[in-house]
Amino acid sequence: GEDVEQSLFLSVREGDSSVINCTYTDSSSTYLYWYKQEPGAGLQLLTYIFSNMDMKQDQRLTVLLNKKDKHLSLRIADTQTGDSAIYFCAESIDNNDMRFGAGTRLTVKP
Amino acid sequence: DTAVSQTPKYLVTQMGNDKSIKCEQNLGHDTMYWYKQDSKKFLKIMFSYNNKELIINETVPNRFSPKSPDKAHLNLHINSLELGDSAVYFCASSQGASGGRGYTFGSGTRLTVV
Repeated sequence: GEDVEQSLFLSVREGDSSVINCTYTDSSSTYLYWYKQEPGAGLQLLTYIFSNMDMKQDQRLTVLLNKKDKHLSLRIADTQTGDSAIYFCAESIDNNDMRFGAGTRLTVKP
Repeated sequence: DTAVSQTPKYLVTQMGNDKSIKCEQNLGHDTMYWYKQDSKKFLKIMFSYNNKELIINETVPNRFSPKSPDKAHLNLHINSLELGDSAVYFCASSQGASGGRGYTFGSGTRLTVV
């Protein structure tokens, strides 16, 4: 994951918004992804954004892409305790070469 | 259910043993992968395989070998297990031209070498 960087920890209070940030280095990336990993489980695809988009919203999730700065963020509105998990940013050029960040552990406090 | 399934979920074994982890996908995907997740949750690609090409991460010891009896299966065989092999191993699959669908992951196999 040396090409995709994320902060390792984020702690928020229930009901607040969470913003998880990611930077990537490959300007050829076609798709950028957010995966969620709950304890003892595999990675679950949360959402993705195509590189020609700036923003994508899906219910409580908002993905922002700044291609110039190679910066991707995931905003979770009205964060719930069930959102506590590790969130992985990933970039893909052709979907057969996916690089993951180290994951951000989100802790939601009641 | 359509999914990527791997067995066993937990595997505890002694150093020096040989073991296999099985993976099956019924999604009709053409590419399968093995990832290793260490204790710090860092994901490292080990192999990617479709019916045409096996791509090996050069940092993976040759004690690890993927075996694919058919398009829907990619098993991971490990010879002469070492303590450092302890990790969670994830199988995943994708469809090469699926664009934004990403990978579908199995639930992982936690390998503990004692």
